[in-house]
Amino acid sequence: KAGVTQTPRYLIKTRGQQVTLSCSPISGHRSVSWYQQTPGQGLQFLFEYFSETQRNKGNFPGRFSGRQFSNSRSEMNVSTLELGDSALYLCASSERTSGIGELFFGEGSRLTVL
Amino acid sequence: EDQVTQSPEALRLQEGESSSLNCSYTVSGLRGLFWYRQDPGKGPEFLFTLYSAGEEKEKERLKATLTKKESFLHITAPKPEDSATYLCAVGGTSYGKLTFGQGTILTVHP
Repeated sequence: KAGVTQTPRYLIKTRGQQVTLSCSPISGHRSVSWYQQTPGQGLQFLFEYFSETQRNKGNFPGRFSGRQFSNSRSEMNVSTLELGDSALYLCASSERTSGIGELFFGEGSRLTVL
Repeated sequence: EDQVTQSPEALRLQEGESSSLNCSYTVSGLRGLFWYRQDPGKGPEFLFTLYSAGEEKEKERLKATLTKKESFLHITAPKPEDSATYLCAVGGTSYGKLTFGQGTILTVHP
C-alpha cells in the first residue's frame, strides 16, 4: 500500500503571498489531519477532516484553512504568509472513523517564507 | 489542556549501551499513547500505541511501557541506525488530535 503523499516537498514564498499544500492519504483512510512542525513549538495540530467535514481545529489564526475532497484527498491553504509560518507541514491519515487512532504521516512540505 | 513532557532532551549512547526514554503526560480521557520515530527531513514514523496502564509492546530492540502518568521507551543494545528523534504523543477525546512532546534526540555511537 502506498503511504501518505504530500506535494510539494519544498517551496519558498515571500511575505504576503498565499500557499496551497496537497495531501493524498493512504488508500482507504478517510480521516486526514494536518500538523505544523517548528523547532521552537514542535508538532502542533492544525485541523482534522473526515468525509469532507472539518471535525476539529487547533489554535491557529483564520489564515490557515483546509478542505477535503470526496476521494479523501486534502489541501491546506495559508493566506497572507508571515515569516513565522516557515515550518514543516505534515499531513497524516488514519483508518479510524471515530475517536483517535494511529496516525500515519507523510514526508511533509517544507515551507520557507522570506 | 493535554500536556506531554519528554526527557532527556538528548541522549548519547555507545552501541550496545541500553537505556530508557521517558514521557510524562496529563490528558483528560486518554484514548491512546503513541510513540513515533523521526529521522531528519522526514515525517514521523509510527512505532507503538499503548491504551492502558500496564500494557507493553515490543519491536526489535524497542519496548514501550505505560503507567497512569508515564510511558517509557526502552532501547536494548542499540545500534547506530537507531539514532533518531523519538516522539511521544497522547490522544484524548478530540478527533484526529495528538498532543506531542518535544522529543528526545537519540545518538548512538559505534
